Amino acid sequence: NAGVTQTPKFRVLKTGQSMTLLCAQDMNHEYMYWYRQDPGMGLRLIHYSVGEGTTAKGEVPDGYNVSRLKKQNFLLGLESAAPSQTSVYFCASTPSGSESTGELFFGEGSRLTVL
Amino acid sequence: RKEVEQDPGPFNVPEGATVAFNCTYSNSASQSFFWYRQDCRKEPKLLMSVYSSGNEDGRFTAQLNRASQYISLLIRDSKLSDSATYLCAVEVPSSNTGKLIFGQGTTLQVKP
Repeated sequence: NAGVTQTPKFRVLKTGQSMTLLCAQDMNHEYMYWYRQDPGMGLRLIHYSVGEGTTAKGEVPDGYNVSRLKKQNFLLGLESAAPSQTSVYFCASTPSGSESTGELFFGEGSRLTVL
Repeated sequence: RKEVEQDPGPFNVPEGATVAFNCTYSNSASQSFFWYRQDCRKEPKLLMSVYSSGNEDGRFTAQLNRASQYISLLIRDSKLSDSATYLCAVEVPSSNTGKLIFGQGTTLQVKP
Protein backbone atom coordinates (compact mmCIF):
# COMPACT_ATOMS: atom_id res chain seq x y z
CA ASN A 1 0.00 0.00 0.00
CA ALA A 2 1.84 3.12 -1.24
CA GLY A 3 -0.23 5.72 0.65
CA VAL A 4 0.82 9.22 -0.43
CA THR A 5 3.60 9.46 -3.00
CA GLN A 6 5.37 12.66 -3.99
CA THR A 7 7.56 13.20 -7.03
CA PRO A 8 10.21 14.40 -7.39
CA LYS A 9 11.81 14.03 -3.97
CA PHE A 10 14.61 16.47 -4.72
CA ARG A 11 14.94 19.27 -7.25
CA VAL A 12 17.23 22.23 -7.82
CA LEU A 13 15.88 25.09 -9.90
CA LYS A 14 17.22 28.39 -11.10
CA THR A 15 15.28 31.56 -10.40
CA GLY A 16 12.55 31.99 -12.96
CA GLN A 17 12.24 28.33 -13.92
CA SER A 18 8.97 26.50 -13.59
CA MET A 19 8.19 23.07 -12.25
CA THR A 20 5.37 20.85 -11.03
CA LEU A 21 5.28 18.67 -7.95
CA LEU A 22 3.03 15.64 -8.21
CA CYS A 23 1.18 14.09 -5.30
CA ALA A 24 -0.63 10.79 -5.73
CA GLN A 25 -2.66 8.92 -3.13
CA ASP A 26 -4.18 5.47 -3.40
CA MET A 27 -6.47 5.63 -0.37
CA ASN A 28 -9.45 7.18 -2.17
CA HIS A 29 -9.24 10.23 0.08
CA GLU A 30 -11.41 13.19 -0.75
CA TYR A 31 -9.28 15.94 0.79
CA MET A 32 -5.74 16.77 -0.24
CA TYR A 33 -3.29 19.48 0.85
CA TRP A 34 0.04 21.02 0.01
CA TYR A 35 2.14 22.35 2.91
CA ARG A 36 5.57 23.87 2.98
CA GLN A 37 7.94 23.55 5.92
CA ASP A 38 10.67 26.02 6.68
CA PRO A 39 12.98 26.16 9.72
CA GLY A 40 11.25 27.81 12.65
CA MET A 41 8.01 28.23 10.70
CA GLY A 42 6.39 24.85 11.05
CA LEU A 43 4.04 23.57 8.35
CA ARG A 44 2.14 26.22 6.44
CA LEU A 45 -0.77 25.42 4.14
CA ILE A 46 -0.29 26.54 0.54
CA HIS A 47 -3.41 25.21 -1.22
CA TYR A 48 -5.90 22.49 -0.61
CA SER A 49 -8.66 20.56 -2.35
CA VAL A 50 -11.88 19.09 -0.99
CA GLY A 51 -12.60 17.05 -4.08
CA GLU A 52 -11.87 16.39 -7.71
CA GLY A 53 -12.03 19.58 -9.72
CA THR A 54 -11.94 21.90 -6.68
CA THR A 55 -9.06 23.84 -5.16
CA ALA A 56 -8.75 26.62 -2.62
CA LYS A 57 -6.08 28.90 -1.20
CA GLY A 58 -4.40 28.25 2.09
CA GLU A 59 -2.25 30.48 4.24
CA VAL A 60 0.63 31.08 1.78
CA PRO A 61 -0.70 30.62 -1.79
CA ASP A 62 1.22 33.35 -3.62
CA GLY A 63 3.56 32.08 -6.33
CA TYR A 64 1.88 28.66 -6.51
CA ASN A 65 -0.92 27.12 -8.53
CA VAL A 66 -2.62 23.77 -8.09
CA SER A 67 -4.88 21.41 -9.97
CA ARG A 68 -6.95 18.38 -8.99
CA LEU A 69 -8.11 16.90 -12.28
CA LYS A 70 -8.27 13.40 -10.84
CA LYS A 71 -9.27 12.46 -7.31
CA GLN A 72 -6.03 10.64 -6.63
CA ASN A 73 -3.69 13.38 -7.86
CA PHE A 74 -2.95 16.88 -6.59
CA LEU A 75 -0.40 18.93 -8.53
CA LEU A 76 1.51 21.92 -7.20
CA GLY A 77 3.02 24.26 -9.76
CA LEU A 78 5.62 26.98 -9.50
CA GLU A 79 5.38 29.18 -12.59
CA SER A 80 8.45 31.30 -11.91
CA ALA A 81 10.51 29.98 -9.03
CA ALA A 82 12.05 32.38 -6.52
CA PRO A 83 14.70 31.72 -3.85
CA SER A 84 12.01 32.32 -1.20
CA GLN A 85 10.35 29.13 -2.43
CA THR A 86 13.29 27.03 -1.31
CA SER A 87 11.60 24.71 1.14
CA VAL A 88 10.43 21.21 1.89
CA TYR A 89 7.00 20.56 0.42
CA PHE A 90 4.65 18.02 1.93
CA CYS A 91 1.49 16.68 0.39
CA ALA A 92 -1.15 15.20 2.65
CA SER A 93 -4.56 13.61 2.32
CA THR A 94 -7.45 12.61 4.52
CA PRO A 95 -10.89 11.12 4.02
CA SER A 96 -13.98 13.22 4.42
CA GLY A 97 -17.21 12.76 6.29
CA SER A 98 -17.87 9.67 8.39
CA GLU A 99 -14.53 8.11 7.50
CA SER A 100 -12.63 11.07 8.86
CA THR A 101 -10.62 10.77 12.06
CA GLY A 102 -8.89 14.08 11.46
CA GLU A 103 -5.57 12.39 10.78
CA LEU A 104 -3.58 13.66 7.83
CA PHE A 105 -1.48 11.17 5.90
CA PHE A 106 1.69 12.75 4.56
CA GLY A 107 3.97 12.00 1.67
CA GLU A 108 7.71 11.78 2.26
CA GLY A 109 8.30 15.36 1.16
CA SER A 110 9.92 17.09 -1.78
CA ARG A 111 13.04 19.18 -1.16
CA LEU A 112 13.21 22.11 -3.51
CA THR A 113 16.15 24.49 -3.80
CA VAL A 114 15.88 27.63 -5.90
CA LEU A 115 19.19 29.25 -6.75
CA ARG B 1 -0.47 36.15 17.91
CA LYS B 2 0.03 32.94 15.93
CA GLU B 3 -2.97 30.64 15.71
CA VAL B 4 -1.01 27.73 17.14
CA GLU B 5 2.14 28.25 19.17
CA GLN B 6 4.74 25.97 20.62
CA ASP B 7 8.04 26.47 22.41
CA PRO B 8 10.56 25.30 19.79
CA GLY B 9 13.03 24.10 22.43
CA PRO B 10 15.21 22.15 22.11
CA PHE B 11 14.37 20.19 25.20
CA ASN B 12 17.43 18.18 26.22
CA VAL B 13 16.59 15.48 28.75
CA PRO B 14 18.31 12.34 30.05
CA GLU B 15 16.93 8.90 29.38
CA GLY B 16 14.20 8.02 31.84
CA ALA B 17 13.13 11.60 32.40
CA THR B 18 9.59 12.90 32.17
CA VAL B 19 9.09 15.80 29.80
CA ALA B 20 6.04 17.86 28.94
CA PHE B 21 5.25 20.13 26.02
CA ASN B 22 2.48 22.66 25.78
CA CYS B 23 0.81 24.12 22.72
CA THR B 24 -1.53 27.12 22.78
CA TYR B 25 -4.23 27.86 20.25
CA SER B 26 -6.07 31.11 19.61
CA ASN B 27 -9.46 30.05 18.24
CA SER B 28 -11.75 29.12 21.11
CA ALA B 29 -14.10 27.38 18.65
CA SER B 30 -11.48 24.73 17.83
CA GLN B 31 -12.69 21.18 18.48
CA SER B 32 -10.08 18.76 17.21
CA PHE B 33 -6.48 18.58 18.33
CA PHE B 34 -3.57 16.35 17.51
CA TRP B 35 0.07 15.64 18.27
CA TYR B 36 2.31 14.60 15.39
CA ARG B 37 5.85 13.29 15.56
CA GLN B 38 8.40 14.22 12.92
CA ASP B 39 11.78 12.56 12.70
CA CYS B 40 14.67 14.40 11.08
CA ARG B 41 14.14 14.77 7.32
CA LYS B 42 10.98 12.67 7.45
CA GLU B 43 7.28 13.37 7.13
CA PRO B 44 5.06 14.09 10.14
CA LYS B 45 3.12 11.11 11.48
CA LEU B 46 0.20 11.14 13.86
CA LEU B 47 1.25 10.36 17.41
CA MET B 48 -2.12 10.77 19.06
CA SER B 49 -5.35 12.66 18.92
CA VAL B 50 -6.25 14.77 21.94
CA TYR B 51 -9.64 14.17 23.50
CA SER B 52 -11.51 16.40 25.92
CA SER B 53 -11.16 13.88 28.72
CA GLY B 54 -7.47 13.39 28.11
CA ASN B 55 -6.00 10.22 26.72
CA GLU B 56 -3.06 7.97 27.31
CA ASP B 57 -1.11 5.67 25.04
CA GLY B 58 1.63 3.86 26.87
CA ARG B 59 4.20 6.41 28.03
CA PHE B 60 2.40 9.26 26.27
CA THR B 61 -0.42 11.32 27.74
CA ALA B 62 -2.24 14.09 25.94
CA GLN B 63 -4.52 16.59 27.64
CA LEU B 64 -6.72 19.47 26.61
CA ASN B 65 -7.37 22.59 28.66
CA ARG B 66 -10.18 24.48 26.96
CA ALA B 67 -10.34 27.26 29.53
CA SER B 68 -6.73 28.24 28.93
CA GLN B 69 -6.74 27.11 25.31
CA TYR B 70 -3.79 24.78 25.33
CA ILE B 71 -3.02 21.14 24.77
CA SER B 72 -0.19 19.24 26.37
CA LEU B 73 1.88 16.15 25.71
CA LEU B 74 3.58 14.30 28.55
CA ILE B 75 6.24 11.71 27.86
CA ARG B 76 7.25 9.49 30.75
CA ASP B 77 10.40 7.37 30.98
CA SER B 78 11.95 9.01 27.91
CA LYS B 79 13.79 6.76 25.48
CA LEU B 80 16.56 7.67 23.05
CA SER B 81 14.10 6.82 20.29
CA ASP B 82 11.76 9.57 21.47
CA SER B 83 14.19 12.15 20.06
CA ALA B 84 12.21 13.95 17.38
CA THR B 85 10.21 17.08 16.72
CA TYR B 86 6.68 17.10 18.12
CA LEU B 87 4.13 19.15 16.24
CA CYS B 88 0.78 20.11 17.63
CA ALA B 89 -2.06 20.60 15.18
CA VAL B 90 -5.52 22.13 15.47
CA GLU B 91 -8.31 21.58 13.00
CA VAL B 92 -9.79 24.75 11.51
CA PRO B 93 -13.21 24.88 13.15
CA SER B 94 -16.40 24.67 11.14
CA SER B 95 -14.55 24.52 7.85
CA ASN B 96 -15.49 20.95 6.81
CA THR B 97 -12.23 20.81 4.96
CA GLY B 98 -10.08 18.81 7.36
CA LYS B 99 -7.50 21.59 7.34
CA LEU B 100 -5.00 21.52 10.18
CA ILE B 101 -2.98 24.44 11.47
CA PHE B 102 0.36 23.34 12.84
CA GLY B 103 2.58 24.80 15.48
CA GLN B 104 6.24 25.28 14.66
CA GLY B 105 7.19 22.14 16.53
CA THR B 106 9.13 21.36 19.70
CA THR B 107 12.41 19.52 19.40
CA LEU B 108 13.21 16.85 21.95
CA GLN B 109 16.68 15.39 22.39
CA VAL B 110 16.94 12.47 24.77
CA LYS B 111 20.52 11.89 25.92
CA PRO B 112 22.02 8.65 27.27
